[in-house]
Amino acid sequence: DVKVTQSSRYLVKRTGEKVFLECVQDMDHENMFWYRQDPGLGLRLIYFSYDVKMKEKGDIPEGYSVSREKKERFSLILESASTNQTSMYLCASMGGHEQYFGPGTRLTVT
Amino acid sequence: GENVEQHPSTLSVQEGDSAVIKCTYSDSASNYFPWYKQELGKRPQLIIDIRSNVGEKKDQRIAVTLNKTAKHFSLHITETQPEDSAVYFCASFHSGTYKYIFGTGTRLKVLA
Repeated sequence: DVKVTQSSRYLVKRTGEKVFLECVQDMDHENMFWYRQDPGLGLRLIYFSYDVKMKEKGDIPEGYSVSREKKERFSLILESASTNQTSMYLCASMGGHEQYFGPGTRLTVT
Repeated sequence: GENVEQHPSTLSVQEGDSAVIKCTYSDSASNYFPWYKQELGKRPQLIIDIRSNVGEKKDQRIAVTLNKTAKHFSLHITETQPEDSAVYFCASFHSGTYKYIFGTGTRLKVLA
């Protein structure tokens, strides 16, 4: 079974803090994705990576950056957290065409 | 930009009835159309998918149809059960760009 894990289930940060969300997959997948999930808006793609050190912007990259130094690990960085970044963040890894999601991190920025 | 429209946003059906969720995509180069189910508090999981060279696919009580000309695809659930209650997401995928685009989701409630 594919396993995708995320570093935290719940996180509370203050406005202006730098936030790191980490995702690890154990299936040697090349493609990894970061989404945010908000009610009524579905899953919106922030960034994705198709190989180590490679990244592509998704639909809503503003205020975020990513890092992929190792194949199994894809990190999402909020350089200066703001309240409008309060959301559920889901990481996914792709094998074939299927996406395997992590459990999600619910981030609250106060 | 490219998008996927999904309707309805909420759907309530009586147990045993059928449910249909519809999606329309804009990227004509998309070649793979999956459906994910997300139960409350859990991660989305793939339940069925269809490729662009196929018009219909069925797996027990669920089926997906694709109309490439109209850029429509639909999820059909027959004989619904309470455990079908969840949020369902459609998506389109372009294998050339690795771009996955999700619909906004449909909250299905199956009433016992």
